[in-house]
Amino acid sequence: LAKTTQPISMDSYEGQEVNITCSHNNIATNDYITWYQQFPSQGPRFIIQGYKTKVTNEVASLFIPADRKSSTLSLPRVSLSDTAVYYCLGSGYSTLTFGKGTMLLVSP
Amino acid sequence: EPEVTQTPSHQVTQMGQEVILRCVPISNHLYFYWYRQILGQKVEFLVSFYNNEISEKSEIFDDQFSVERPDGSNFTLKIRSTKLEDSAMYFCASSLGQHSNQPQHFGDGTRLSIL
Repeated sequence: LAKTTQPISMDSYEGQEVNITCSHNNIATNDYITWYQQFPSQGPRFIIQGYKTKVTNEVASLFIPADRKSSTLSLPRVSLSDTAVYYCLGSGYSTLTFGKGTMLLVSP
Repeated sequence: EPEVTQTPSHQVTQMGQEVILRCVPISNHLYFYWYRQILGQKVEFLVSFYNNEISEKSEIFDDQFSVERPDGSNFTLKIRSTKLEDSAMYFCASSLGQHSNQPQHFGDGTRLSIL
């Protein structure tokens, strides 16, 4: 299981782009990088995942450089409802190990 | 979009009582999981389940815990004799495959309060 490091908290304003970077220096060859979002009293919600280069869906983009030692979750034009904890996970099989995540606070 | 559903949303139980938490995973998923999150702490893995047997479990998942898939749709977590420290949010998750390129999808949890 890859050990991941991400900022404890970030602040932003509505309409801005937010980039959350996660480092995972010991990521294994078969590990995927997966990002989850969690609101208070709710379960983690899958946002996006990738192996390398760039992945984009309707919610976010994920950038993973060639060495795969880090990844960046990009949230375009955030709104107040994007205030949540964001988790970066690197794993190969089965068990997910969650860290403390990044608490993103979006202000008006 | 299909989702994992959990019942009840909140369970209050006296210490020492048995409790069963219920989950309906996404219908075509084959791998099932339970996690817990104590208030203010990290989400912790408890157990994974595939083909009607436990495939992996953590140190938290001791003899007081058991899981079952009693029929084709439900997946349950039983705590036989609850303790105060079992108070937490319990999340069920399911995935199509075992590898992380098949992401796990979580329910919104059951808040378990032990009195």
